[in-house]
Amino acid sequence: AQTVTQSQPEMSVQEAETVTLSCTYDTSESDYYLFWYKQPPSRQMILVIRQEAYKQQNATENRFSVNFQKAAKSFSLKISDSQLGDAAMYFCAYSRFTGTASKLTFGTGTRLQVTL
Amino acid sequence: DGGITQSPKYLFRKEGQNVTLSCEQNLNHDAMYWYRQDPGQGLRLIYYSQIVNDFQKGDIAEGYSVSREKKESFPLTVTSAQKNPTAFYLCASSGTGHYYEQYFGPGTRLTVT
Repeated sequence: AQTVTQSQPEMSVQEAETVTLSCTYDTSESDYYLFWYKQPPSRQMILVIRQEAYKQQNATENRFSVNFQKAAKSFSLKISDSQLGDAAMYFCAYSRFTGTASKLTFGTGTRLQVTL
Repeated sequence: DGGITQSPKYLFRKEGQNVTLSCEQNLNHDAMYWYRQDPGQGLRLIYYSQIVNDFQKGDIAEGYSVSREKKESFPLTVTSAQKNPTAFYLCASSGTGHYYEQYFGPGTRLTVT
């Protein structure tokens, strides 16, 4: 079974600084997707960024970027120019394709605090 | 606006009672999912459905049941057989195919006493 590990329960960053959240995963499959979701205090899950395993180029979405190391099964999220609104729980997730549905396996999350 | 609605936001039940959580989407998505979230844990998949009148067990299906009679609706019943039903429940939907993004509803907090 696939597993996703987030080893940092909590992280803190100062406003305007950069922070990196770590994620490792375990799978024997070669075709999969990886995601970072954000869950603010409202508890609404918001997709931050996704990475296709077959793509070597790291995904980027504005201030958010990933460092995808397929051989090491590592998928970290870098947040640049951190803002107060970035404070939230961040979940790393792995998606396996089952035919027509994409089932997600989540890590346990990292709580990010942003300080002034 | 297109999206996913879950009702109610908070739900309280007595132990031994079955309870049904609502999930409706108007995104015209074929696939729908139910996840459970506990403190200190990520989301875990309970059930998913790829098409009307069809659904499959996820990783923690014991004590839960679902139905998919309409494309827009995927209700989850938490039965009295579920040993620890108190949790936050999230519904999601997606298109079908090699990959489509899952969109999440706002969730229902269920408390069983």
